[in-house]
Amino acid sequence: QTVVTQEPSLTVSPGGTVTLTCASSTGAVTSGYYPNWFQQKPGQAPRTLIYDTSDKHSWTPARFSGSLLGGKAALTLSGVQPEDEAEYYCLLYYDDAWVFGGGTKLTVL
Amino acid sequence: QITLKESGPTLVKPTQTLTLTCTFSGFSLSSSGVGVGWIRQPPGKALEWLALIYWDDDKRYSPSPKSRLTITKDTSKNQVVLTMTNVDPVDTATYYCAHRAEAGFDYWGQGTLVTVSS
Repeated sequence: QTVVTQEPSLTVSPGGTVTLTCASSTGAVTSGYYPNWFQQKPGQAPRTLIYDTSDKHSWTPARFSGSLLGGKAALTLSGVQPEDEAEYYCLLYYDDAWVFGGGTKLTVL
Repeated sequence: QITLKESGPTLVKPTQTLTLTCTFSGFSLSSSGVGVGWIRQPPGKALEWLALIYWDDDKRYSPSPKSRLTITKDTSKNQVVLTMTNVDPVDTATYYCAHRAEAGFDYWGQGTLVTVSS
């Protein structure tokens, strides 16, 4: 069974930069996996931030960016704000199905 | 404006069949490239993608509970229905439906919590 792995938790200072990654048990993540990134705050539904590796939605803050880094999908937050504290999930496409990562709890401290 | 809303029972007994409905507005599921998917999240745990149905009735399922899942659509009613048979307490989760198009899974419903318990 395919497993998508994310860092369980990361801590960043306000104004800092942090990169979250998303790895696949099948090997290197490429654009063909159409990486998506979602933000979820407690008690809320997930909100999509990034699709197709690096494309942003109209509501995605400019400080969020997506990329491929070292065989993984990556989400970078530059100039982190206190309101960015949340759980972040990646989603990868495998032929006929999609698989979520286990999520990264981002703490802004 | 695209909106989606999940509905269904809040409590289901083990071995029963769970039927969830996603009622949407702001788009048509007969438009090329459009799909509606189901995702769930057990309390305190990660998201899990379950199923997706496309405008042309093409269907995709997660390998994990695949044999227990059926997804259907009623374009005239703007609804997508997910059926899960033989539920177990591990199926207790918040179930979300989401719109999928060129921009990924871009719009989500608020979710509905389903508890499986005797």
